[in-house]
Amino acid sequence: GDSVTQMEGPVTLSEEAFLTINCTYTATGYPSLFWYVQYPGEGLQLLLKATKADDKGSNKGFEATYRKETTSFHLEKGSVQVSDSAVYFCALSDRWPGNTGKLIFGQGTTLQVKP
Amino acid sequence: GAGVSQSPSNKVTEKGKDVELRCDPISGHTALYWYRQSLGQGLEFLIYFQGNSAPDKSGLPSDRFSAERTGGSVSTLTIQRTQQEDSAVYLCASSSDRDIYGYTFGSGTRLTVV
Repeated sequence: GDSVTQMEGPVTLSEEAFLTINCTYTATGYPSLFWYVQYPGEGLQLLLKATKADDKGSNKGFEATYRKETTSFHLEKGSVQVSDSAVYFCALSDRWPGNTGKLIFGQGTTLQVKP
Repeated sequence: GAGVSQSPSNKVTEKGKDVELRCDPISGHTALYWYRQSLGQGLEFLIYFQGNSAPDKSGLPSDRFSAERTGGSVSTLTIQRTQQEDSAVYLCASSSDRDIYGYTFGSGTRLTVV
């Protein structure tokens, strides 16, 4: 079945460091890909998404590019801040022909940014 | 409402008791999802409602779990004869037809079975 694999955390970085959180997927059909973020004490929220190969999703300085050839959707940020400390979830959903709306999430990666 | 509302926010129950968790989605959102987040685990899909279609129950872990959605709005997840392994945060999300993958999540119900 479809699945998402994320790098294990926690990832600990100093402020202004470069961030990469790896995400690879296995899917039938042609999925859309997502990153969700869960800040401490808050609910999950959509960070960015990409719906087709080579699309780049971006938001709040974070970026991820849909790489169909490597089945990856790695999350990157050039300079992290303490406020980026959170749990990041990679997710996929079949876009065609399913279109069910159901998302399959990875295990989540905890990011800790120290001042 | 402005967001997805879940109640209660915390629930402690004794093993063997039944519990009901409630989700009030964003008004007008046709799709509603239940997920479970166990300690150290990712989000596990439980059940999905879309409009008047039959729900996708493929993620329910056992027949002790059931859910309904009344009038295309509020949903209730019921766990019968709770077990300690049911302890988790139960998350509800909803989305609209225009952006079915743009989930809005509630804050969750933390269930502890003692």
